[in-house]
Amino acid sequence: GESVGLHLPTLSVQEGDNSIINCAYSNSASDYFIWYKQESGKGPQFIIDIRSNMDKRQGQRVTVLLNKTVKHLSLQIAATQPGDSAVYFCAEETSGSRLTFGEGTQLTVNP
Amino acid sequence: KAGVTQTPRYLIKTRGQQVTLSCSPISGHRSVSWYQQTPGQGLQFLFEYFSETQRNKGNFPGRFSGRQFSNSRSEMNVSTLELGDSALYLCASSLGPAGGETQYFGPGTRLLVL
Repeated sequence: GESVGLHLPTLSVQEGDNSIINCAYSNSASDYFIWYKQESGKGPQFIIDIRSNMDKRQGQRVTVLLNKTVKHLSLQIAATQPGDSAVYFCAEETSGSRLTFGEGTQLTVNP
Repeated sequence: KAGVTQTPRYLIKTRGQQVTLSCSPISGHRSVSWYQQTPGQGLQFLFEYFSETQRNKGNFPGRFSGRQFSNSRSEMNVSTLELGDSALYLCASSLGPAGGETQYFGPGTRLLVL
């Protein structure tokens, strides 16, 4: 599967591969993080979240990893499907309920 | 359960006009936040409302304002529109204002200022 160590604005993978999308966050005091998926013409859709007292959380075909030492988040998508094609954003809760978003990664899944 | 709804979905205005956008949160959600999304700046926080009170505000000029009603529905207003206000305006709702509550987004209102 595809794996990137740094944030990239685009990621292209083959159907069935595993995808890894990376994100760096800014505030070491942030304690809640969310991954969103945004398809063209739609609002961001919640995928998975993680709190700072955890370093890994799994959902259906998705896993989020949190490395607080280097302020890094990653989203792993297993067996990527064409329907996974979208822009993926990480977000950190920085002040109250305010979300600060990363730049986003456009994931393209090739059949 | 119905998701977050926003009206209108699309809007075209001219410079100098004002606009009001509406957001209905998920039933039972009492916190509503607004975000602006543009290709250049990405997703940026505008403000958050809970119990009809603005709890948090982003770094936007005073032309951007909002309010929340007793039924948790929210509106945002932009006065004296500028070309740069063209954007997708997103509303998100959550159960409450406490940290760690998942925010769910609506489909957005696409505003074009000519």
